[in-house]
Amino acid sequence: EVQLVESGGVVVQPGGSLRLSCAASGFTFDDYTMHWVRQAPGKGLEWVSLISWDGGSTYYADSVKGRFTISRDNSKNSLYLQMNSLRTEDTALYYCAKARRYGDPYSGAYYFDYWGQGTLVTVSS
Amino acid sequence: EIVLTQSPATLSLSPGERATLSCRASQSVSSYLAWYQQKPGQAPRLLIYDASNRATGIPARFSGSGSGTDFTLTISSLEPEDFAVYYCQQRSNWPPKYTFGQGTKLEIK
Repeated sequence: EVQLVESGGVVVQPGGSLRLSCAASGFTFDDYTMHWVRQAPGKGLEWVSLISWDGGSTYYADSVKGRFTISRDNSKNSLYLQMNSLRTEDTALYYCAKARRYGDPYSGAYYFDYWGQGTLVTVSS
Repeated sequence: EIVLTQSPATLSLSPGERATLSCRASQSVSSYLAWYQQKPGQAPRLLIYDASNRATGIPARFSGSGSGTDFTLTISSLEPEDFAVYYCQQRSNWPPKYTFGQGTKLEIK
């Protein structure tokens, strides 16, 4: 059974830093691209970042670029999100999500097939 | 950047009725669009991928259609457990970025 368990969410002041973790199990972690997706209270879903299977490629939403850093440790089956220069608008439930290619095995699109339950980050003074 | 616009924002229907949810893309995404269901306090669940393919374990009452810029999620006969928020999602090719629509809340009338 695939499990993704996030941790590290706390209350932090604006300008502060925080590191989120996601422990993965039930699948071959280093076979898959992994993502962070967030959801502000009462709002919709916003993709944050992705990291390739080997950590060699990373991409970010414009809203977090230059402030957040995604990383992974395949030996520990773990995904991380280092969050710096936090703003009140970063307040959200942060989900770790696994994506896989659907349809054609070489050209098919990637969709999110498993999600964690999220960890809440509150940025407030 | 591709923007996804969902309508309506809220849809009020009764169990047994048919639900039709819309997602419009600001430019063509071909058929590379997914639909997710999110219930209160839960993570999203993939329902439909590539516009019209049901994900594993999704009941046949859920169907998706469309291509290019206009997409529809249809629930043929609503069950009580179907009342939730539904999101569409696409991925731009390069650089890879993922976009969600703002969601449609399906509520019990």
